[in-house]
Parts: sequence; C-alpha cells; structure tokens
Amino acid sequence: ETGVTQSPTHLIKTRGQQVTLRCSSQSGHNTVSWYQQALGQGPQFIFQYYREEENGRGNFPPRFSGLQFPNYSSELNVNALELDDSALYLCASSRGPLEKLFFGSGTQLSVL
Amino acid sequence: AQTVTQSQPEMSVQEAETVTLSCTYDTSESDYYLFWYKQPPSRQMILVIRQEAYKQQNATENRFSVNFQKAAKSFSLKISDSQLGDAAMYFCAYRRPPRGSTLGRLYFGRGTQLTVWP
Repeated sequence: ETGVTQSPTHLIKTRGQQVTLRCSSQSGHNTVSWYQQALGQGPQFIFQYYREEENGRGNFPPRFSGLQFPNYSSELNVNALELDDSALYLCASSRGPLEKLFFGSGTQLSVL
Repeated sequence: AQTVTQSQPEMSVQEAETVTLSCTYDTSESDYYLFWYKQPPSRQMILVIRQEAYKQQNATENRFSVNFQKAAKSFSLKISDSQLGDAAMYFCAYRRPPRGSTLGRLYFGRGTQLTVWP
C-alpha cells in the first residue's frame, strides 16, 4: 500500500506567477485535504475534496483553487502568487472526510 | 473561530525521562475531538494520539498519554521513557463534532519543538 505522495518537493516561483501542486492519495482513500504551513506556524486548512467535489474551504482567497480527479488524486492551484504564499503545503488523504488523515511530506514553495 | 494554544515553543528532555507538552483550546461545543501530531524533520505529520471529548478516560498509546481536562479546556501530552526518535515538532489540534457537517477540518496550534538529549 503506497502512502501519500506530493510533487514537487521544492519549488521556487516569482511573485505574480501561477503554481500547481500535486498529491497522490493513499490507496482506498476518497478524500484529500490541503493545509498551508507558514514558517513557525501550525498548518492552516485550505480546503477538502471528497469524491471529486469541494467539501469545505478555509479562509483563503479564490486564487487558491483545487481539483480532485476520478482516481482521487488532487491538485492545488495558486494564481497571482504573493510573497506571503511562501510556505510548506501539506496534503492529507483519508478514507472519508471524518476519518484519520494520512499526510504527505509536503511541497516547500518559495515565492521571490 | 476555534483557537488552539501551545504556550511552549520549545521543550527539552533527557533520554528515558518524562516530558509533558501543554495545549489549551477554545470552543463552545461539548463534543469534539482533540489530537496530537508529530512532525519530524521529514515534514510528514504523524498522528500520535486522539481523544474524544465525550470520553472521560484519558487516551493512551504505549509511551504516550494525555491529560484531558474538559472544564479547563486543557489537553496535555505526556511522553514517558523519552527516546531520541521522539525529537520533533509536536502539534495539538482540534476538530469540531461531525453532526450537521461532513467536514473534517483540523485547527492546529503553533507547535512545540521537542529536543531529546542523550
């Protein structure tokens, strides 16, 4: 059983650019949650996808968007990057929206 | 909004000794879930222990146990017989009760960095 994998592991972008982060969920999981972890902070909830539909969203602007595919993998897209978007982005999959989360190792995004 | 507070940015412990990490939270709900997660340098968050608020008995997982004080809204983690591999950032997290919602959103504290000395 493969775990949750995220790609890329590190990414450097410049302000105003767009970025796509990817997450492959664990086998048998139909739910993906995304979190942003700024330096020295705890993770902040961005949104959750359940069976290809957005199931809930945190306090993030619309330039943060996502997708979940039929195989339950997911993408996080961020448009018009700002310096404050620099953070570790964590993806977690689960068997359902309220089930135990299994986290990936994250994508470290730096915006210059 | 739910808030989770970890007042100890850093803690240290000698190998084989016991350490307690503190966490307080704010909620108006009577039923909810509390978690402790560990984040080692690999950055992958790992669930250490979970507590349901309706359960009076404190959760225990091997060397890890919690002291859940519902009235005080306190949820501390005790690590016994500390090992070098316990060194990591520890996060306390809260989740709302599921009724009326299927959203499993976690609210995290800012973390406590635990150092284990040999």
